[in-house]
Amino acid sequence: DGGITQSPKYLFRKEGQNVTLSCEQNLNHDAMYWYRQDPGQGLRLIYYSQIVNDFQKGDIAEGYSVSREKKESFPLTVTSAQKNPTAFYLCASSIIFAGNQPQHFGDGTRLSIL
Amino acid sequence: GESVGLHLPTLSVQEGDNSIINCAYSNSASDYFIWYKQESGKGPQFIIDIRSNMDKRQGQRVTVLLNKTVKHLSLQIAATQPGDSAVYFCAENMGYGNKLVFGAGTILRVKS
Repeated sequence: DGGITQSPKYLFRKEGQNVTLSCEQNLNHDAMYWYRQDPGQGLRLIYYSQIVNDFQKGDIAEGYSVSREKKESFPLTVTSAQKNPTAFYLCASSIIFAGNQPQHFGDGTRLSIL
Repeated sequence: GESVGLHLPTLSVQEGDNSIINCAYSNSASDYFIWYKQESGKGPQFIIDIRSNMDKRQGQRVTVLLNKTVKHLSLQIAATQPGDSAVYFCAENMGYGNKLVFGAGTILRVKS
């Protein structure tokens, strides 16, 4: 079945450590997105990529980095500069980066601080 | 499972009744809207979408109504089932590419 796979499901970070969250899709979608979800709040956009080798900052990009070397993969690195990284991270994709295209989500990675 | 619904409004309905979940959106220029369902510990699942040139759209057991005059969106679920229990939230496309703005959500609890 086509879909979006995020791994790991749970991740723990030590102080000063960078961690990378994986997102892979086999939907042949051009556009991919990373969101952060905190309790009681709407999803907030971290980074997005319209096409391979392209990405732009979203609303809360500070302390995060991404790459888009392959169409199917869009990993997110949470750096030590992100002082409050504990959250549920969601990856999404859409056919293209254009209006009227639903975004489809993976099942998330929960990041916690040790 | 993880809770993404702390401090969210809650709608409790009896199994078999109809549910109506409301969403006020922020931008009168928004031209595309989506409803998502999120179960505990999982990612949001697409339910139904609607474009701004429509005021109603129906799916299987769900109907979305759009009132652009008051910037209001609603999701109606017919014959609500226990499996419908989840957090529901709306998203709006404000017209820049495919950037969406998401509401915080409403918890739907179905009583058997």
